Parts: sequence; structure tokens; C-alpha cells
Amino acid sequence: GAVVSQHPSWVICKSGTSVKIECRSLDFQATTMFWYRQFPKQSLMLMATSNEGSKATYEQGVEKDKFLINHASLTLSTLTVTSAHPEDSSFYICSASIYEQYFGPGTRLTVT
Amino acid sequence: GNSVTQMEGPVTLSEEAFLTINCTYTATGYPSLFWYVQYPGEGLQLLLKATKADDKGSNKGFEATYRKETTSFHLEKGSVQVSDSAVYFCAVDFNTNAGKSTFGDGTTLTVKP
Repeated sequence: GAVVSQHPSWVICKSGTSVKIECRSLDFQATTMFWYRQFPKQSLMLMATSNEGSKATYEQGVEKDKFLINHASLTLSTLTVTSAHPEDSSFYICSASIYEQYFGPGTRLTVT
Repeated sequence: GNSVTQMEGPVTLSEEAFLTINCTYTATGYPSLFWYVQYPGEGLQLLLKATKADDKGSNKGFEATYRKETTSFHLEKGSVQVSDSAVYFCAVDFNTNAGKSTFGDGTTLTVKP
């Protein structure tokens, strides 16, 4: 089946630094990838839709300058959390779409 | 508008008990329906899906039937195991070509031996 990977699986960073999270579709090409955020014991909140070769579409309330998304190729999308703060600590999950969504294992970000 | 309503949890059952987790949706079209499972500290795994009315999705003993007349997609399992303890999410893709789903709030299932 289709496999999506994320790297890193967990990261701890200091407040004010930036963190990049990679999402890769390993065995298929995905023109569209999605980035979600999940708070503890809560559902997934869609942050943005990432299309290869074009600008990401952000959901209402998501700061595009803080959460930079780049979809450089058909198998790679990156999410960069800029100037991270403790409130950005969360579980970030990506998915790649080819008729249906395939989810990555998630990245746990802790900002100290 | 389009929405997904999932039964609130948490749900605690004894091993071999019957499980039902309700999910209903509101949609103007003909969405695709999914159930995902999330084990502690992990991402989401697709458990089963249905893409048209009366379809039954099934996997690992779990079943759900696409009921258009009641706009529901309830998840059932006849005999749960401790290993089924996880969070279950109902999801709806309101535009079957978009590949983007709206998720319910999730239901935490704990199965005790």
C-alpha cells in the first residue's frame, strides 16, 4: 500500500528557533499533501493544503508566515515552524492524497 | 453546511464486548466515508471506508455500513480485544476528488481484560 513518512518523528527546540518537518510519499507521487495539527486528546485540525509547484492554501486562522509550507516535488512537502513558541508544541501529521488520503506517522514538536 | 458528528467518549468495555461508535454527517452531495484508528503516539491508520450508499467497509473484525437514509456510518465490532484500545476517528470526504477529509472529534476506546 501507499506509504507516507515523516521526519523527524519527534523534535525538541528552544523558543525562537525554527523547525522543519518533512513529509514524503515513498512509493507514489502526490500532487496534493495536507498538514494537520493535533492537540492532546483532540481531533485533527487541517492547517493547509499543499500543492506541488504552487503556494499552499491555508485554513482560516492559520498564520502562513509562521507555518511555511513548501511542496518542492511530487514526493516531498515540508512544514517549517518559524520562531517557535511553547504554544506551537503539538503533534503535526501530514497526509498525501491519491484518490484517498494516506497519513504519515506524525511529528511531535515540543518547544521549550 | 457539511459536518461530521461523532459519538463522544471515552468508551470503556470489557474484552469480548460488543462495540458501537456512532457517526453521522451532514452533506449536500455524496461523500466518501472513513474510519481511522490512532494508537498512542502514532499517526492515523485507515481502518475501513465506504464510497457509496449501502457499501459496507470491513477490516480486522470492524464493520461500518454507509447509510444514506440516516446519513450515518456507525462503527461496530462484535467482540473487542485489549489490543483494540485506541482512538477512533470518523472522517468524511465531501468532495470525492479532493482527497481531503473532515474529521470527527474522535472516540477513545479502552478495552479491559
